[in-house]
Amino acid sequence: EVQLVQSGAEVKKPGESLRISCKGSGYSFTSYWISWVRQMPGKGLEWMGRIDPSDSYTNYSPSFQGHVTISADKSISTAYLQWSSLKASDTAMYYCARHYLEGWFDPWGQGTLVTVSS
Amino acid sequence: SSELTQDPAVSVALGQTVRITCQGDSLRSYYASWYQQKPGQAPVLVIYGKNNRPSGIPDRFSGSSSGNTASLTITGAQAEDEADYYCNSRDSSGNHFNYVFGTGTKVTVL
Repeated sequence: EVQLVQSGAEVKKPGESLRISCKGSGYSFTSYWISWVRQMPGKGLEWMGRIDPSDSYTNYSPSFQGHVTISADKSISTAYLQWSSLKASDTAMYYCARHYLEGWFDPWGQGTLVTVSS
Repeated sequence: SSELTQDPAVSVALGQTVRITCQGDSLRSYYASWYQQKPGQAPVLVIYGKNNRPSGIPDRFSGSSSGNTASLTITGAQAEDEADYYCNSRDSSGNHFNYVFGTGTKVTVL
């Protein structure tokens, strides 16, 4: 079974750093991209960026460029999303998804809730 | 970046047909994919490519495209189809490796 399993919920203070993870199983991790998607409370889906785990090439939505970093460790089939200095506005659910080269996302991880509050 | 616009909400009587639309310039060049999201759950792919359904998605879901508009049709809507639906496509305005989601449509089954 193809699965993406994300790390657990996080509660952080403004200014703190954070890295969340997404571990793939049941398929060749380097044969598909991984994308990250943000969903703020009560809002829609926003594509943040994607990584090719085979060579760690990334591209980001202009809305997120410079605010987050996407990385991957293909040796352990895991992708990461990290922040160096969190803001309250980063409070959201974050999903990873296997990203087909042809353009669709399937399956999705279960989501990681990030709460940033002082 | 380009935008994909959806109607905020639509309703459909049980067993009837509903069409959800997604408009944007990028759809003139790229197919949309469609995602169903129920409350408290991760999104699920329901349509991709020209009109393809992943394994496990009922055949009452279908997709089509014309000009700058992509459509998701649910023929014979069921109570379990009540959910938010999002389209997605490549961004045609800048970096074509970028993607964008539609604004989302809440479907209510009456």
